[in-house]
Amino acid sequence: QITLKESGPTLVRPTQTLTLTCTFSGFSLSTSGVGVGWIRQPPGKALEWLALIYWYDEKRYSPSLESRLTITKDTSKNQVILTMTNMDPMDTATYYCARSGYYSYYFDHWGQGALVTVSS
Amino acid sequence: DIQMTQSPSTLSASVGDRVTITCRASQSIDSWLVWYQQKPGKAPKLLIYRASSLETGVPSRFSGSGSGAEFTLTISSLQPDDFATYYCQQYNSYPGTFGQGTKVEIK
Repeated sequence: QITLKESGPTLVRPTQTLTLTCTFSGFSLSTSGVGVGWIRQPPGKALEWLALIYWYDEKRYSPSLESRLTITKDTSKNQVILTMTNMDPMDTATYYCARSGYYSYYFDHWGQGALVTVSS
Repeated sequence: DIQMTQSPSTLSASVGDRVTITCRASQSIDSWLVWYQQKPGKAPKLLIYRASSLETGVPSRFSGSGSGAEFTLTISSLQPDDFATYYCQQYNSYPGTFGQGTKVEIK
């Protein structure tokens, strides 16, 4: 059974850095073809693709956010970490981590999501 | 980025209706498209990948078609569990952009 779960702060102050951790089970990020990504969804709005890291450590980012995002993995802990700098109230959203399809970048298994509010 | 446009934004339908949702890409994406279903407060669920392949465990009343820049998701006979928001996503080129969603409501 594949599971993913996001963890991190629920409230972040403007200009601060957000760090989110995705802890997963049921698959390994050292297996060829596997990736884990992050997607966010502001309240009442559409999904937005943020970043993805593959088993061989290739990283891909949304160009509009690339300067603010860093994605890393700890294969031994089955974790993927996303950092986003210079948080703004417009970054308030539910942040999801998800496993990518085989050698691809759509998502076949998702975490439950973590709501992050940016407010002073 | 490739832009994905869904229509309609909202759709009112009754149980048993045949429902069709359209997704258009701003350029050709071959067949690199998926469809998700999302219910309030829940994560999206993968329904269709590569435009027309049904994900394991998804009911056969769901089907996808299209290639190039125009795609459709069809629900052949709408069931009470199908009232939700549906999103398309392209994976032809990074970033994997999503459509704005289509909410299927009870008529």
